[in-house]
Amino acid sequence: SAVISQKPSRDICQRGTSLTIQCQVDSQVTMMFWYRQQPGQSLTLIATANQGSEATYESGFVIDKFPISRPNLTFSTLTVSNMSPEDSSIYLCSVRGLAVEQYFGPGTRLTVT
Amino acid sequence: DAKTTQPPSMDCAEGRAANLPCNHSTISGNEYVYWYRQIHSQGPQYIIHGLKNNETNEMASLIITEDRKSSTLILPHATLRDTAVYYCIVRVAEDSGGSNYKLTFGKGTLLTVNP
Repeated sequence: SAVISQKPSRDICQRGTSLTIQCQVDSQVTMMFWYRQQPGQSLTLIATANQGSEATYESGFVIDKFPISRPNLTFSTLTVSNMSPEDSSIYLCSVRGLAVEQYFGPGTRLTVT
Repeated sequence: DAKTTQPPSMDCAEGRAANLPCNHSTISGNEYVYWYRQIHSQGPQYIIHGLKNNETNEMASLIITEDRKSSTLILPHATLRDTAVYYCIVRVAEDSGGSNYKLTFGKGTLLTVNP
């Protein structure tokens, strides 16, 4: 299994600012994903981040709001830009390698005031 | 996308088997059934997956009906630490090879294991 760490684990930010969340994996993986989990809700896929190509965003999510970087096979970042209180959520990094299982990080709990 | 239906909540006594049902009547022939769980304040944890045959690992057993329209996740001896939201997911294949699939989460079942 892959061990995934995220930084920060939680943050409180003011509206209008941006936060970059880091995701580090202990092994090289083919695909990395970013999910959002709003309070009391299930997980929603934001985008798929692939090394060497631009991220693929799901319906309702745009690059200007959630820019993603994937500089190598073990690291990715998600930026939440121009934040509003509606962006208060848990943001989760997820990875999948050659195996069929998909692993999730511990999440970053973001509160926007 | 094949959708899943799960009861919103279930209770189970500690030490007893927990049987979590999932309906996926529109599943396609090449779609897998995955189960994940999310313990409070943690990221989802992979449990098990299957295509047609029943599967068992150290965590649980997965029973898939012959017509593949439903499945049951079985935790043989539930403990208090098994209290979590359990998600039944039908894998969405992005290409014919199935290597670029996405996992789409529904609302899941909140399993509460009681002492």
